[in-house]
Amino acid sequence: QVQLQESGPGLVKPSETLSLTCAVSGYSISSGYYWGWIRQPPGKGLEWIGSIYHSGSTYYNPSLKSRVTISVDTSKNQFSLKLSSVTAADTAVYYCARGVPDSSGPVPFDYWGQGTLVTVSS
Amino acid sequence: SYVLTQPPSVSVAPGKTARITCGGNNIGSKSVHWYQQKPGQAPVLVIYYDSDRPSGIPERFSGSNSGNTATLTISRVEAGDEADYYCQVWDSSSDPSGVFGGGTKLTVL
Repeated sequence: QVQLQESGPGLVKPSETLSLTCAVSGYSISSGYYWGWIRQPPGKGLEWIGSIYHSGSTYYNPSLKSRVTISVDTSKNQFSLKLSSVTAADTAVYYCARGVPDSSGPVPFDYWGQGTLVTVSS
Repeated sequence: SYVLTQPPSVSVAPGKTARITCGGNNIGSKSVHWYQQKPGQAPVLVIYYDSDRPSGIPERFSGSNSGNTATLTISRVEAGDEADYYCQVWDSSSDPSGVFGGGTKLTVL
């Protein structure tokens, strides 16, 4: 059974960099598929942040592209998100997820982490 | 950028059929995916590639996509189907993006 678990600071100061890691178990990232990050501000809808292929190629949300970096560490079977210059508008539950097998693109997502709330505040 | 439009809310009586729409410019030319999200939980994929159901999703959930509208249909609605539903597409334009609709709150009366 594939499982994903987000980890990282729950509180980040404005203008600093948000860093999260998604640990994957039950499947080897190096074997394939896309891996993504999605966020959801409190009481609002879902927003796709970006996705990375197991080989390292990436796609980013155009509205966040200048601030986002997604990377993969196959040796630790995990992938990571960095979002720079954060503001209160970046406060959200952040989810990591796996792209479905045999997909022609980075979406949809079939396995999701439980999500982690990140608050941006001084 | 590509925009997906969903009604904010849909209400249906138990045992009836719920239809949740997702509008977008020529969305019929794209593959549409649907997620169900219950309060405090991560989203669950219920329909992908317009009409395919992942393993474990009841046959009561079905999808269609044509023209400018995709539709998620839930037959014989149960109280447990009450949730937020989101559509998603992959917009493979010059700046590719995995776009979500704004979400629809399904209320079972």
